[in-house]
Amino acid sequence: RKEVEQDPGPFNVPEGATVAFNCTYSNSASQSFFWYRQDCRKEPKLLMSVYSSGNEDGRFTAQLNRASQYISLLIRDSKLSDSATYLCVVRDNYGQNFVFGPGTRLSVLP
Amino acid sequence: DGGITQSPKYLFRKEGQNVTLSCEQNLNHDAMYWYRQDPGQGLRLIYYSQIVNDFQKGDIAEGYSVSREKKESFPLTVTSAQKNPTAFYLCASSIPGTQETQYFGPGTRLLVL
Repeated sequence: RKEVEQDPGPFNVPEGATVAFNCTYSNSASQSFFWYRQDCRKEPKLLMSVYSSGNEDGRFTAQLNRASQYISLLIRDSKLSDSATYLCVVRDNYGQNFVFGPGTRLSVLP
Repeated sequence: DGGITQSPKYLFRKEGQNVTLSCEQNLNHDAMYWYRQDPGQGLRLIYYSQIVNDFQKGDIAEGYSVSREKKESFPLTVTSAQKNPTAFYLCASSIPGTQETQYFGPGTRLLVL
């Protein structure tokens, strides 16, 4: 079993749609969780950290369920500019290394 | 502005040649990382360093070497032993032992001639 798994995608949605991405992780001792966004041929950029209580940043909402070892990202009112690959990232309990999921590609269509 | 720089943006390697990719950061981060990304794939860890003069192998270290003589710099050498070096190489840095995230440089795209 891979350490971090994500929905395989791709997701093709119309503008204005709501889309949710799922991520599961295998290391129960993981401490920190993040969603990154990666545009084609560019470096990953932090979208948001994921906190235990869940957190929201504008149209983006992240949720963490430690018991199920599950992280989600919800994007409301999708924009064309949201088209990218979304990476789920988990930091291990020693704070040393980051484990990346394979990513889920999103295409928002006009 | 604080950040991570990588150079060159594109690099071409001939058969049997070693090439070195540069990574510099002025974020005062102790930890630095090198990843490889192949088309349509996720990131794979090559090497990482938690502190100056120390580094550890990641998941795919064979055919690569690194040095960490200064806190700001973590160059990666792709040796001739790496038989399939064509990929997108990403350098990152972070503050170890915290819950802070990791920041990336813009990447170097390596192509084999």
